Amino acid sequence: KAGVTQTPRYLIKTRGQQVTLSCSPISGHRSVSWYQQTPGQGLQFLFEYFSETQRNKGNFPGRFSGRQFSNSRSEMNVSTLELGDSALYLCASSSDGTIGEKLFFGSGTQLSVL
Amino acid sequence: GQNIDQPTEMTATEGAIVQINCTYQTSGFNGLFWYQQHAGEAPTFLSYNVLDGLEEKGRFSSFLSRSKGYSYLLLKELQMKDSASYLCAVYNTDKLIFGTGTRLQVFP
Repeated sequence: KAGVTQTPRYLIKTRGQQVTLSCSPISGHRSVSWYQQTPGQGLQFLFEYFSETQRNKGNFPGRFSGRQFSNSRSEMNVSTLELGDSALYLCASSSDGTIGEKLFFGSGTQLSVL
Repeated sequence: GQNIDQPTEMTATEGAIVQINCTYQTSGFNGLFWYQQHAGEAPTFLSYNVLDGLEEKGRFSSFLSRSKGYSYLLLKELQMKDSASYLCAVYNTDKLIFGTGTRLQVFP
């Protein structure tokens, strides 16, 4: 069974640009969550999608958005990039995102904003 | 507010035992996870505790005390491959909140 796949692995952008990251969950998983990981802050929750609907959202500005497709694949978009957006963006999937269900993480997309 | 505290770094010797502590203060509690993350890799699930007590799984054990807002991960018979970051995460009412992680270095 293939794991969670995130593309691209690395991205370099400049301030003001926008970026789209992609995540393909484990086959059969319908819940996809996104996290931002930085050395000082650890993993911070961005949002969770289930059956194409955003079910939960963290405390990030509106520049961060996402969506989920009917095949459960998910994308997240960051507009008007800032230097502070440089981070590892991790995607995680689970069967249906119920409480206590373990998450399966992808290897992440390392975003550098110059 | 939500607060999860772990030591930033720890070192240990191959073959030894190490305990990584995690304390939390969250608005709700529906279980505590431990994940392992090797540098440049995806976090992988280690354990889940929802009731008080010790859960043992091979060389790794995890303990939870809900009344004290405290958990620890115990790693026995340390191996070089155990060098990694260990992430404590609490499921509050509706989302998983992570601590900043503990970077463990195992020396020969």
